[in-house]
Amino acid sequence: DIQMTQSPSSLSASVGDRVTITCRASQDIRNDVEWFQQKPGKAPKRLIYEASSLQSGVPSRFSGSGSGTEFTLTISSLQPEDFATYYCLQYYTFPPITLGQGTRLEIK
Amino acid sequence: EVQLVESGGGLVKPGRSLRLSCTTSGFIFGDYAMNWFRQAPGKGLEWVGFIRTKPYAWTTEFAASVKGRFTISREDSKSIAYLQMNNLKTEDTAVYYCSRHDPKFREGFMDVWGQGTTVTISS
Repeated sequence: DIQMTQSPSSLSASVGDRVTITCRASQDIRNDVEWFQQKPGKAPKRLIYEASSLQSGVPSRFSGSGSGTEFTLTISSLQPEDFATYYCLQYYTFPPITLGQGTRLEIK
Repeated sequence: EVQLVESGGGLVKPGRSLRLSCTTSGFIFGDYAMNWFRQAPGKGLEWVGFIRTKPYAWTTEFAASVKGRFTISREDSKSIAYLQMNNLKTEDTAVYYCSRHDPKFREGFMDVWGQGTTVTISS
């Protein structure tokens, strides 16, 4: 099974900050990664697909990069509505579909 | 508008069964594989299983944690997917989400999720 190791597990930041979240895969997964945002009590929302493609309707301050085993999600200038939990997901080889442990982004 | 709505959650005693439904609209249901995920209280998302589309004989796959206890089925004529959960354990307590994925990867993989339904296993 492919493991996705996500870091950090939590992060405190201020409005306007630039934030980066990382996922490392246990083997080469090309660019078969998606990033999701989840707010409390809500469904996950896809932000990025194919590692770097922005989901339609998602603000351009969100970006994704990487290929192979290391992937990043960057928020260029944090907005109040961005405080949430973020997950990476790999679909290069499945089953199983595997996700990172999540990064909880909190207001400093 | 694409919509996925889960239902059927509730409070159930250990060892009992429960069936969840994922009712969908706004897209050609038969073109998409359907997944179930869960999120235990205070924990991250966990993939539970999925069912493929007709060209793939509607075959299913499951996480090791539920294999042999859970089954997934679908009614393409009604655009509904089901998660049948048997021999439930307290550790199955979670919010259960359905999602769709495109087996042809036309725009990535898993673009839409439902809002979730809560399952509580307790005596």
